[in-house]
Amino acid sequence: DAGVIQSPRHEVTEMGQEVTLRCKPISGHDYLFWYRQTMMRGLELLIYFNNNVPIDDSGMPEDRFSAKMPNASFSTLKIQPSEPRDSAVYFCASAGGARNTEAFFGQGTRLTVV
Amino acid sequence: KQEVTQIPAALSVPEGENLVLNCSFTDSAIYNLQWFRQDPGKGLTSLLLIQSSQREQTSGRLNASLDKSSGRSTLYIAASQPGDSATYLCAVRITSGTYKYIFGTGTRLKVLA
Repeated sequence: DAGVIQSPRHEVTEMGQEVTLRCKPISGHDYLFWYRQTMMRGLELLIYFNNNVPIDDSGMPEDRFSAKMPNASFSTLKIQPSEPRDSAVYFCASAGGARNTEAFFGQGTRLTVV
Repeated sequence: KQEVTQIPAALSVPEGENLVLNCSFTDSAIYNLQWFRQDPGKGLTSLLLIQSSQREQTSGRLNASLDKSSGRSTLYIAASQPGDSATYLCAVRITSGTYKYIFGTGTRLKVLA
C-alpha cells in the first residue's frame, strides 16, 4: 500500500476562496482522522470518521469547515470561505479498529491563505 | 478531558548519548499509546505502538515503556545519532466511547555531531 495520500501538498489561496483538501486512506482502515497543525496549538483533531460516518466533529472550528467521506477510499475537508487564520498544515490519518493497529499519517497539505 | 504533556519541550545532546523523552497523560482509560517522529516540513512517522495491556515495546535503538496507572510513557533512545534529530510526539488513543488520538506537545530533539 502507498500509505495515506493527501492532495494537494501545497495550496495558496486568497481570502474568501473555497479550499478543498483531499485524502485517500490506507485500504482496510475503517477510521479516518483530519488534524490541523500550527506552531501555536500543535496538532488538533478536527473530525474523525468510522466506516465513512462522522463520529466526532467537535474540533471543527466553525461552520466554514466541512468534511465528507463518500466512500471508504476518499475524504475531503472543505473550507468556505477561507481566512488567513486558517493557514496551517492539515494532516489526514487512518487506522484500524483493533488495539494493535497503528495510525498512519499522510504527508500533509500546507495551506496558506493570503 | 484527556490532556497529554511532553517534557522536555526541547533537548540538545551530543552524539552517542542515551536519552529519555517523557509523555504524561491525565486519564488512564487509554486504548493504546503511539510514539511518532516528525521531521521539519514533513508528516508524522510512526515509531512504536504500545497497547494498553503492554508495558514496553522495542524497535532497534528505541524502547518505549508504558505505566498506565501513573499516566506515563517514556521513549528511550540509545546511542543517539545526528539523524535522530526531529520532533517526537506521543499520542494516546482514548476509549471513553470514542477512539480518537490526543497528541502531546512534542519534544524537539537535536543531536550534535
